[in-house]
Amino acid sequence: AQTVTQSQPEMSVQEAETVTLSCTYDTSESDYYLFWYKQPPSRQMILVIRQEAYKQQNATENRFSVNFQKAAKSFSLKISDSQLGDAAMYFCALRHGAGNMLTFGGGTRLMVKP
Amino acid sequence: GAGVSQTPSNKVTEKGKYVELRCDPISGHTALYWYRQSLGQGPEFLIYFQGTGAADDSGLPNDRFFAVRPEGSVSTLKIQRTERGDSAVYLCASSPRGGLGYNEQFFGPGTRLTVL
Repeated sequence: AQTVTQSQPEMSVQEAETVTLSCTYDTSESDYYLFWYKQPPSRQMILVIRQEAYKQQNATENRFSVNFQKAAKSFSLKISDSQLGDAAMYFCALRHGAGNMLTFGGGTRLMVKP
Repeated sequence: GAGVSQTPSNKVTEKGKYVELRCDPISGHTALYWYRQSLGQGPEFLIYFQGTGAADDSGLPNDRFFAVRPEGSVSTLKIQRTERGDSAVYLCASSPRGGLGYNEQFFGPGTRLTVL
């Protein structure tokens, strides 16, 4: 069984500062993908960043980067230079199975203070 | 181009009623997924279609839930004898194909179902 755990229900960051959201996971598969999704109040899931498990190099997308620790099964998201538009729910997800299904964590609500 | 669309945006029904939720995937996407997101939680997988067939329905909670995709495009999630516990946001996603390898899932805005 696959599990994804986000231990921070809420996080707060000052505009322009850096924040790190935590995620741990468990899977029996050797080849998998990890994702961070952003869900604003509009409900639509937006892909922020992805990481292939076979790649040792941490993924980076502009202000977003991950710290992927495969042995520890940890996958944290770092948001640099936080902006007001970053405020949303953030979900960590694990892709598994032949069908590419996603298992999501419980989410972290990020608040950005001006 | 158009993204994944879902109708209705909101649905309110009474306990025991039957409801249908519709998903229009991105044109040409062969894989389609349904997820359920209860209040304050992350989405949970329900069912996956590859083309017209349900390739994996292991996430459907019970036999009151059923989904179809008769022509390999639009999908309908059907819930019989609704219960208050069925209240949630139902998300649909599509991807160019399923299977191994990376395929990004594109999500729709969801249907918020409320069972009174």
